[in-house]
Amino acid sequence: EDKVVQSPLSLVVHEGDTVTLNCSYEVTNFRSLLWYKQEKKAPTFLFMLTSSGIEKKSGRLSSILDKKELFSILNITATQTGDSAVYLCAGLNYGGATNKLIFGTGTLLAVQP
Amino acid sequence: KAGVTQTPRYLIKTRGQQVTLSCSPISGHRSVSWYQQTPGQGLQFLFEYFSETQRNKGNFPGRFSGRQFSNSRSEMNVSTLELGDSALYLCASASRTANTEAFFGQGTRLTVV
Repeated sequence: EDKVVQSPLSLVVHEGDTVTLNCSYEVTNFRSLLWYKQEKKAPTFLFMLTSSGIEKKSGRLSSILDKKELFSILNITATQTGDSAVYLCAGLNYGGATNKLIFGTGTLLAVQP
Repeated sequence: KAGVTQTPRYLIKTRGQQVTLSCSPISGHRSVSWYQQTPGQGLQFLFEYFSETQRNKGNFPGRFSGRQFSNSRSEMNVSTLELGDSALYLCASASRTANTEAFFGQGTRLTVV
């Protein structure tokens, strides 16, 4: 059965700290790994990773995928209180008639001033 | 351009009733997926529609159904509501069927009493 596991479940840091969020996956017909940030309602898209070893960056956030170890990390440098949210990763199961995202339970990040 | 629009935002229903939720995807997007989010189970895939056809279905009972119209708008229906159906229902739209990021709407918060 498809499975995505995120760690840690929750994290409390102070502004300016650097954090690393982890995501391991076992997804049939794996195509890509996606990261989302969820604050109130809608998860907002952060990254989609398809190729192994290629880092994607957006401001203070970066992410990389290891398709051999079935693992991805999301790094946030110089954290700010606005980074407080639940971070979700999802594996895209795509093959034939299948096209669905398998989500982990998320990492709750709290950034204290 | 406008994002994914879900209506209504909040809904309170009684056990045994049925409910219909609506999702308008981003203009030009033809794939619409539905997810259920609960504190205990996280985000779980319900079904995906593309070009008015249900392509994928998650592991939910037949009380959960959906459809997609020619303008790509989608509805999902839950019949004979149970207390356990209380959740945030999110829809996501994507421009193609594979390997493109999915963008989420704000969700519909359904409470069954």
